[in-house]
Amino acid sequence: RKEVEQDPGPFNVPEGATVAFNCTYSNSASQSFFWYRQDCRKEPKLLMSVYSSGNEDGRFTAQLNRASQYISLLIRDSKLSDSATYLCVVDQGAQKLVFGQGTRLTINP
Amino acid sequence: DAGVIQSPRHEVTEMGQEVTLRCKPISGHDYLFWYRQTMMRGLELLIYFNNNVPIDDSGMPEDRFSAKMPNASFSTLKIQPSEPRDSAVYFCASSFWDSTPEQFFGPGTRLTVL
Repeated sequence: RKEVEQDPGPFNVPEGATVAFNCTYSNSASQSFFWYRQDCRKEPKLLMSVYSSGNEDGRFTAQLNRASQYISLLIRDSKLSDSATYLCVVDQGAQKLVFGQGTRLTINP
Repeated sequence: DAGVIQSPRHEVTEMGQEVTLRCKPISGHDYLFWYRQTMMRGLELLIYFNNNVPIDDSGMPEDRFSAKMPNASFSTLKIQPSEPRDSAVYFCASSFWDSTPEQFFGPGTRLTVL
């Protein structure tokens, strides 16, 4: 079983729609979680951290469910510029991050 | 401020040749990471350093791969001899230890081994 699993997609949604991704992780001892964004042929960049209580950053909402060991990302009112690959990331400790394979999202006009 | 710098950005080489990838981390960062990204396997951690000391090299695929960090501002990843299956994008990332281990990635080196 992979340490971090994501649905690779692709997800194709119309502009303005709401889209959600989930990710599961295998190490129950993991403490920190993140979503990174990677544009085509670019490097990954931190989108947001994921806190136990859930957190929101504008149109983006991240949730953590420790009991079920999954993390979610919700994007509301999607924009064309949201088209990218979204990487679910789990901190294994000692600064070591494990990246999921990513979910590819395309927003269509 | 300059981000993580990698060179070369693209490398095309023939099987059996030695390849050296270079990375300059963000000034003041004390962690440096080397990753490899392919369509099949995604983003894989190869090795990482803390204060120039290798901490975990369990992701290095085999002895053909080696990495060094002679000082706080420079690291190399070497593949000798290179093979076609090494073709991938190699990212270097750096971070500063604090409560949030955000890693800052360089633009990557796209390696093609013919």
